[in-house]
Formats: sequence, structure tokens, C-alpha cells
Amino acid sequence: QKEVEQNSGPLSVPEGAIASLNCTYSDRGSQSFFWYRQYSGKSPELIMFIYSNGDKEDGRFTAQLNKASQYVSLLIRDSQPSDSATYLCAVSRGSTLGRLYFGRGTQLTVWP
Amino acid sequence: DTAVSQTPKYLVTQMGNDKSIKCEQNLGHDTMYWYKQDSKKFLKIMFSYNNKELIINETVPNRFSPKSPDKAHLNLHINSLELGDSAVYFCASSQILAGATDTQYFGPGTRLTVL
Repeated sequence: QKEVEQNSGPLSVPEGAIASLNCTYSDRGSQSFFWYRQYSGKSPELIMFIYSNGDKEDGRFTAQLNKASQYVSLLIRDSQPSDSATYLCAVSRGSTLGRLYFGRGTQLTVWP
Repeated sequence: DTAVSQTPKYLVTQMGNDKSIKCEQNLGHDTMYWYKQDSKKFLKIMFSYNNKELIINETVPNRFSPKSPDKAHLNLHINSLELGDSAVYFCASSQILAGATDTQYFGPGTRLTVL
């Protein structure tokens, strides 16, 4: 079983819609959860992190964490063509300093 | 005033050559990382240094040797390059908080092509 799995995509949504990106993780002891966005040919940049169960909102982005189900998601409201990118879920177990386990990413396309 | 910088941005070389990639961060972080991203976009950690001490050493061929002269620098030397080494290599840094993992900031990447 992979450490971190993401819905494989690609995901295509119209402009203005809600994009939902999902991620599951295998280690129940995982502590920190990150969503990175990576544009083609660029480096990953952090969008959000979440440590506690529940929702965390930042502008059009909402991260949701359910540790019992070992599930973390990212919702993008009012999707824009500029949101088109690959979204990487990353998980930290906390057992090794700084060690992040990345999913393979979900490619999102927002069409006008 | 780039936070995490890498040189070179592109590296094209022949099989069997030895090459180095350099990374510097000016964020004052105590931990630096090397990642390899393959053609399928999978981002895999290779090495991590915390205050110049190696703390993560994944299953990487010993042709790859990291060196951290100080907290702000982490270089990657690759001997006897092979075709399969072609990938994008990212450097990252973070400040490790006690009992937690802080955000990692990535450099722009070095695209290595081995011919």
C-alpha cells in the first residue's frame, strides 16, 4: 500500500465550479498534512497545511482533515483557469524530522 | 533575494560524467532536503540534513553524495551519471520545530538530462 494516495485524475472542471481533490494516507500516526501546487515546469509551492481534524479555510481554498478515516481533501471554490496545475498531497508522520511523504499528484484543469 | 536557489537550472551531460548541483537558502532554516521528481511527477526524497547532520538517507545509489558545508548550503554530487538519473532535482528547506514538521520551501529545480 502506498504511503499517500491521491485521486489519479486528471480532473477537469469549468470556471467557477468547486474542484475537490482527495488524498488518503496509510500511517494512522501521521500528524501534519500539506497541499502543494505545482505549475508545469515550476517548483511545488505550499497552498495550505492542516494539523487538526476539521476544516481550515484560506480564501477560496478549504482543507479538510479526518484522521479517523485517514483522509485529507482540498476544495477550491470559484475555480479559475489560473488554478490549473498539479496538486500534491504531503503527509508527515512526525517520527523522522522533516520527512514528508508525497502523493503522485492530481492534475487539475479549469476550463473557461 | 530568492529564498531557496539552485544552480544550475539546466544540466545536460553524457553518461559516465560526474556533476554537481548546488543549493543555498537564505531563510535561516536548519534543515535542507534533496528531492528527485521523475517524468511521472512523483516527488521522492533523497537526503535531508539538519544543522549539517545527515538525518534522512533514502535508498539512493551511492553514486549520489550530498554535502552540507553549513546550514545554508546543501550540494549534491553525482558520479558516473546514468540515463535513469535524468529527472528534475529539487532542493528544499524548512525549520524543524520540536515535535512538528514545518513547511518546506522548494527551490526552482535543476533539470538534469543524461545523454
